[in-house]
Amino acid sequence: QVQLQESGPGLVKPSETLSLTCTVSGGSVSSYYWNWIRQPPGKGLEWIGYVYYSGTTSYNPSLMSRLTMSVDTSKNGFSLNLSSVTAADTAVYYCARGRYGDYGLDFWGQGTLVTVSS
Amino acid sequence: EIVLTQSPGILSLSPGERATLSCRASQSVSSNYLAWYQQKPGQAPRLLIFGTSRRFTGVPDRFSGSGSGTDFTLTISRLEPEDFAVYYCQRFGSSPLYAFGQGTKLEI
Repeated sequence: QVQLQESGPGLVKPSETLSLTCTVSGGSVSSYYWNWIRQPPGKGLEWIGYVYYSGTTSYNPSLMSRLTMSVDTSKNGFSLNLSSVTAADTAVYYCARGRYGDYGLDFWGQGTLVTVSS
Repeated sequence: EIVLTQSPGILSLSPGERATLSCRASQSVSSNYLAWYQQKPGQAPRLLIFGTSRRFTGVPDRFSGSGSGTDFTLTISRLEPEDFAVYYCQRFGSSPLYAFGQGTKLEI
């Protein structure tokens, strides 16, 4: 069974960079699409972007100018960096695996709350 | 951008009843790329249906998906207490590559 686990600071100051890592167990990052999705408190889901195992990325245009994603095969994980954060970036951040063919998100991490506040 | 609109926003039903949730797209979506998720409070979303009508591993057969073009439906044939949750539809393709509907809350 594939499992994903997010890790990183729960509090980030405005204008700084939010950095999260997702560690994959029970499977390899050397295939599939590795996604980040976020959910502001009490609101719906927003796709942030994905990184393919080869390093190719696709980002949500609304966040693209502030985003960097990468995959680390040696650690069997992948990461998210979101720069110049504001209070609007406060959310639960999920990592999830994207399937080949239909691109459904079949395995998710439990999520981690990141609060942007001074 | 292809926007997904779910209705109703809140659906109040009782265990044993049938639930019909709608997801309407602003433009045609490939039936290969339409999925449904269930989210319970404090939990991550869970994939239920992919490719419009195919159940993911371990999903009970009371859950079914249908539709094409711009209109898609998730049906729960007989509600169990554990089915009360928020449901999201999701499409793949066009920009942004992934997008979710705003959700339907299924409540008792």
